[in-house]
Amino acid sequence: KQEVTQIPAALSVPEGENLVLNCSFTDSAIYNLQWFRQDPGKGLTSLLLIQSSQREQTSGRLNASLDKSSGRSTLYIAASQPGDSATYLCAVRPWGGSQGNLIFGKGTKLSVKP
Amino acid sequence: DVKVTQSSRYLVKRTGEKVFLECVQDMDHENMFWYRQDPGLGLRLIYFSYDVKMKEKGDIPEGYSVSREKKERFSLILESASTNQTSMYLCASTYPGQTYEQYFGPGTRLTVT
Repeated sequence: KQEVTQIPAALSVPEGENLVLNCSFTDSAIYNLQWFRQDPGKGLTSLLLIQSSQREQTSGRLNASLDKSSGRSTLYIAASQPGDSATYLCAVRPWGGSQGNLIFGKGTKLSVKP
Repeated sequence: DVKVTQSSRYLVKRTGEKVFLECVQDMDHENMFWYRQDPGLGLRLIYFSYDVKMKEKGDIPEGYSVSREKKERFSLILESASTNQTSMYLCASTYPGQTYEQYFGPGTRLTVT
């Protein structure tokens, strides 16, 4: 059974730091991996989606990488800002999974201090 | 831009009441999902639907049912609300194209007293 783990559960950094959030999954047979952001009490906002055939995706200050063989993905945030404070979740779509179902990690809660 | 809306942001209901949560998407997406999110447990899939009138159970369907009479609308029904169904409920939709990228609604915080 596919399991997704995110470590650490919480992270606090000073403004301006570059940081890396980690995501690992137990079964490398995935269709794609998606990173989301969630603000307190709100829904999820899709940040980046990486297909299994890709190694990385970039959007602005965000860069996500995927190493399918080792079961790992990282989300790199450059020059962090207080507005980046949120919970970040990763989710994988298992290969052969029905109709786009996702398996989620429990998230990393990021706090960026001014 | 894809828009997924949910009927209520906050809802308070009494034990035993029948509760309807509605979700609407405006992008002609085939697949729609209902999750619940609880601290320490993460997001768990309750039900999903891949077409009108079609539904499949997710990981935790007990105590819930769903309805999809129109493509754009997916309803979650709590037949007899219980306190352990107090949670954040999130709806999502996806088009079964190349990426299956999921788009989420803003969530409904349900409290059952």
